Amino acid sequence: QKEVEQNSGPLSVPEGAIASLNCTYSDRVSQSFFWYRQYSGKSPELIMSIYSNGDKEDGRFTAQLNKASQYVSLLIRDSQPSDSATYLCAVPPPDGQNFVFGPGTRLSVLP
Amino acid sequence: NAGVTQTPKFRILKIGQSMTLQCTQDMNHNYMYWYRQDPGMGLKLIYYSVGAGITDKGEVPNGYNVSRSTTEDFPLRLELAAPSQTSVYFCASLPLSGANVLTFGAGSRLTVL
Repeated sequence: QKEVEQNSGPLSVPEGAIASLNCTYSDRVSQSFFWYRQYSGKSPELIMSIYSNGDKEDGRFTAQLNKASQYVSLLIRDSQPSDSATYLCAVPPPDGQNFVFGPGTRLSVLP
Repeated sequence: NAGVTQTPKFRILKIGQSMTLQCTQDMNHNYMYWYRQDPGMGLKLIYYSVGAGITDKGEVPNGYNVSRSTTEDFPLRLELAAPSQTSVYFCASLPLSGANVLTFGAGSRLTVL
């Protein structure tokens, strides 16, 4: 059974700072990893995916993957109050049949 | 393209009542999922389907049933509602090939009193 863990929140950062969100997973064969953002009362929306070791940057967001350590992270640079949300790490299996989500980390960006 | 449509958005049930949450997608996705999300928690998989006529249990299937008679529709049935089923329910779909990205519906908030 896959397990996905995330750093417990809530995480509070001041506006303009870097927010760091972490995720670890137990299944060594996982090949792809996803970060979803969920605003309160809304459905999750995909913000980043990463498939290879190393960093992947998209605007203010950077995903970092280390498969050997079974660790994936999301950095949000120049954090904005609009980034305040819950961030969910998701690990899909190769057959796409059963995504496993972490418990989420709630981020608050303080103006 | 409506994506994934869930109905109803809100519902209050009494203990022991039954109801069906509807989910329809118009993207011809093979995979469909039902998740529940309790307050402050992540998503727990209830049931999933890899295609019409095929369904399977997820992590928390007790108290629920599903069917998949068409590619588009994946209703979730609650029989004998219990307070423990108070939650937000999300339906999601995934294509058979291509980008491995879940598309979520807007969610259905269910309260059992």
